[in-house]
Amino acid sequence: DSGVTQTPKHLITATGQRVTLRCSPRSGDLSVYWYQQSLDQGLQFLIQYYNGEERAKGNILERFSAQQFPDLHSELNLSSLELGDSALYFCASSPENSDPYNEQFFGPGTRLTVL
Amino acid sequence: AQRVTQPEKLLSVFKGAPVELKCNYSYSGSPELFWYVQYSRQRLQLLLRHISRESIKGFTADLNKGETSFHLKKPFAQEEDSAMYYCALAGGTSYGKLTFGQGTILTVHP
Repeated sequence: DSGVTQTPKHLITATGQRVTLRCSPRSGDLSVYWYQQSLDQGLQFLIQYYNGEERAKGNILERFSAQQFPDLHSELNLSSLELGDSALYFCASSPENSDPYNEQFFGPGTRLTVL
Repeated sequence: AQRVTQPEKLLSVFKGAPVELKCNYSYSGSPELFWYVQYSRQRLQLLLRHISRESIKGFTADLNKGETSFHLKKPFAQEEDSAMYYCALAGGTSYGKLTFGQGTILTVHP
């Protein structure tokens, strides 16, 4: 699959725990975006990385962090999990950072359930 | 702050009827607007962007800066158009960051 991939598909964990979500962008795409989709908040932008550097930050909690590695894959770390963190987490990638018209290609998402 | 509003959570039409999905935005600068669509069991994908001024799958959307709207229209809906539609805005110094509306579920009945 040459599209955006995300692992795992599903994750069930308990409050207070820490999890790592992984995203591999499309081949050649330098930008990675993370979004959170919850029932009450809709689809919200969390953070963007471009070629290993953080480029934009949205409504990302301090308990959450992300990074993009030299091979351009990205990880979103969620710690001290709360029930309200249960959501679908999407990763998207696009080829360039400077063009706001660029299409973002979305992954299938990781469904996180915090019990 | 930028905001996108899609006033209808659900929209039902019959096949062959015209359809309009509403999108209003709030943004102080010059926005770039998009419609993304998610079909059943598929990924979220771009449907069209205003800068391209193109028609995709029979859908068009016109940016009306006076009314701050970017409504999505199709003259004759098809059953395969049933999906979740998101209006999104990009702008400001945070290039690439998309602000999404809450989405509208469109159901086209046979």
